Amino acid sequence: EDKVVQSPLSLVVHEGDTVTLNCSYEVTNFRSLLWYKQEKKAPTFLFMLTSSGIEKKSGRLSSILDKKELFSILNITATQTGDSAVYLCAVDYNFNKFYFGSGTKLNVKP
Amino acid sequence: DGGITQSPKYLFRKEGQNVTLSCEQNLNHDAMYWYRQDPGQGLRLIYYSQIVNDFQKGDIAEGYSVSREKKESFPLTVTSAQKNPTAFYLCASNPQGNQPQHFGDGTRLSIL
Repeated sequence: EDKVVQSPLSLVVHEGDTVTLNCSYEVTNFRSLLWYKQEKKAPTFLFMLTSSGIEKKSGRLSSILDKKELFSILNITATQTGDSAVYLCAVDYNFNKFYFGSGTKLNVKP
Repeated sequence: DGGITQSPKYLFRKEGQNVTLSCEQNLNHDAMYWYRQDPGQGLRLIYYSQIVNDFQKGDIAEGYSVSREKKESFPLTVTSAQKNPTAFYLCASNPQGNQPQHFGDGTRLSIL
């Protein structure tokens, strides 16, 4: 059965810490893996990954995909309280059909 | 500004009542989607549409119905057959090709 699993489910850190969020997947027809940040309403797009080993970076956030081991990580360095959110991982498994993981809830304390 | 507009933001349903959630986009996207999100869970696909006048069931379509008469609009009806409708409903769209989805701000549905 196709699935996307995120870990940890929740995480509490202090400002300045570095965090690593994990997403593993098992899908039959993988096309891409996407990361979103959801604060209170609409998820906002962070990264789309299609190739193994190529890091995508945006400011303090970075992500990489391993298609052999079927996982991705999202790194956030020097965390800030504004990084507090639920981080969702999604996998495109059939031409713009997506499985979503249950998310990792990150709480960054001052 | 281009985007996806969902309305209303909050909706209350009485027992036995059908309610319709609105989703409109001006991004000229072909594909549109409805997801349900329950507390502590990810998004689950209810229905999706890749083109006008065509739509397919997702993983949890029972108790829901949709229409796609216009490219811009993809309303979702939560019928009385949906016994546990309390949830956060998100509408999304994306263009054809390997592209990320754009999301609306969601509608929170509760039972009276």
